[in-house]
Amino acid sequence: GQQVMQIPQYQHVQEGEDFTTYCNSSTTLSNIQWYKQRPGGHPVFLIQLVKSGEVKKQKRLTFQFGEAKKNSSLHITATQTTDVGTYFCAVMDSNYQLIWGAGTKLIIKP
Amino acid sequence: DVKVTQSSRYLVKRTGEKVFLECVQDMDHENMFWYRQDPGLGLRLIYFSYDVKMKEKGDIPEGYSVSREKKERFSLILESASTNQTSMYLCASSLFGRQREYFGPGTRLTVT
Repeated sequence: GQQVMQIPQYQHVQEGEDFTTYCNSSTTLSNIQWYKQRPGGHPVFLIQLVKSGEVKKQKRLTFQFGEAKKNSSLHITATQTTDVGTYFCAVMDSNYQLIWGAGTKLIIKP
Repeated sequence: DVKVTQSSRYLVKRTGEKVFLECVQDMDHENMFWYRQDPGLGLRLIYFSYDVKMKEKGDIPEGYSVSREKKERFSLILESASTNQTSMYLCASSLFGRQREYFGPGTRLTVT
């Protein structure tokens, strides 16, 4: 079945540094969703990307969908403590099931 | 705003007990899902439902069953709880067509 690879599993940054997580698929995607899960919380929808080459911004977060619609990235500029958590990508397969990436945990070094 | 509620935030059960986890959503969503989340394994789909009385197996249905008698309510049942079912259980709902999913707060189940 369809799989989506998300890397890295963890990223340790100093507050103020940037953070990026990547999702890759071997097949063309119809769309990709991004979610954030705070420690002790539940996943919360951030955004959905649909168009080839799409770039969307939410304040310090930049989401990109690759030209071939096989990969996507989430970039956070100048991380803050409120950014801590795990970021997941999720893609829809042909049966309308969401396939989830393993998540990237953002950890801010003390 | 969509609200998804789960019956318990924390639950401790003994091996062999029957366990019911309930989920209720208030936005008339057709789709409802049960996931479990374990460290390093991400979100794994147990069962989902596209309509009342309909259910479909997800990736890891073994040891679980579900019930959807009303559109707003989706129950996860562990017929005979085992220690390897200790996990965080997340319920979610979405409109038909699998657009964004709305999650409940989760139930952390410990089976001793």
